[in-house]
Amino acid sequence: AQKVTQAQTEISVVEKEDVTLDCVYETRDTTYYLFWYKQPPSGELVFLIRRNSFDEQNEISGRYSWNFQKSTSSFNFTITASQVVDSAVYFCALSEPYSGGYQKVTFGIGTKLQVIP
Amino acid sequence: EAQVTQNPRYLITVTGKKLTVTCSQNMNHEYMSWYRQDPGLGLRQIYYSMNVEVTDKGDVPEGYKVSRKEKRNFPLILESPSPNQTSLYFCASSPRTGTTGELFFGEGSRLTVL
Repeated sequence: AQKVTQAQTEISVVEKEDVTLDCVYETRDTTYYLFWYKQPPSGELVFLIRRNSFDEQNEISGRYSWNFQKSTSSFNFTITASQVVDSAVYFCALSEPYSGGYQKVTFGIGTKLQVIP
Repeated sequence: EAQVTQNPRYLITVTGKKLTVTCSQNMNHEYMSWYRQDPGLGLRQIYYSMNVEVTDKGDVPEGYKVSRKEKRNFPLILESPSPNQTSLYFCASSPRTGTTGELFFGEGSRLTVL
C-alpha cells in the first residue's frame, strides 16, 4: 500500500483560481514529519514546508497554505490566486523514524499543476 | 554556500557502458541517498548511506552500486546501464542529529541510456 498518496496526477487551473493539492499518508508512528516540495520545469526540488505530527496548526505563507489533519491523515496544500509561476510538479513526502536515529522519507508520485494564463 | 553537487547534469550513453554519477555535499551531513524520478512513479530511493562505509539498499537498488569512502562523497555507479535506467537522478543529504528527515537535494542528473 502506498504510504503517501497523491490522487491527483495532473490539475489544470486558470490563472487567479484557487487550487488544492491533496496528500493522504499512512503511518503507524506517532512522531513523523510531512513535507511538500516543488519541482518547477527547470527540474530542481525546492523545499516548501515541513510539519511535525504534533503540530496540527494550519500554516499560511503568502499565497500558500497547508491544512494538516491527523484525523484524516491528510496534509493538503492550497494555492490561492494561482499564477503561471506556480506551474510545477508538487511532491508530498512522509518522514518516519528509522534505525540508527535517522528518518526514512517516502514520496508521493507527485501532482503536476498547470496554471493557464 | 551549502549545497549538494551532482555531475554530470546530463548524460547520454549506450547500453553496457559503465558510468558514474558523482555526488558531493559540503554540509558535513552523515546521511546521503540516491533517488530516481520517473513519470507516474514519483521519487524512489535507490541506495542510502548513514555514514562512511555504511550503505544499504533502498527500494529500487537493482543495477546500481554505491560507495561511501568519504563523508562528503556518495557516487552512484551503473556497471552496465540498460535503457530502463533512463531517468532523472537526485542525490540528497541530511544531518543525523536532530534530524527531521528534511533532505537537501542536488540539482539532478538526467541520464539517457540508448
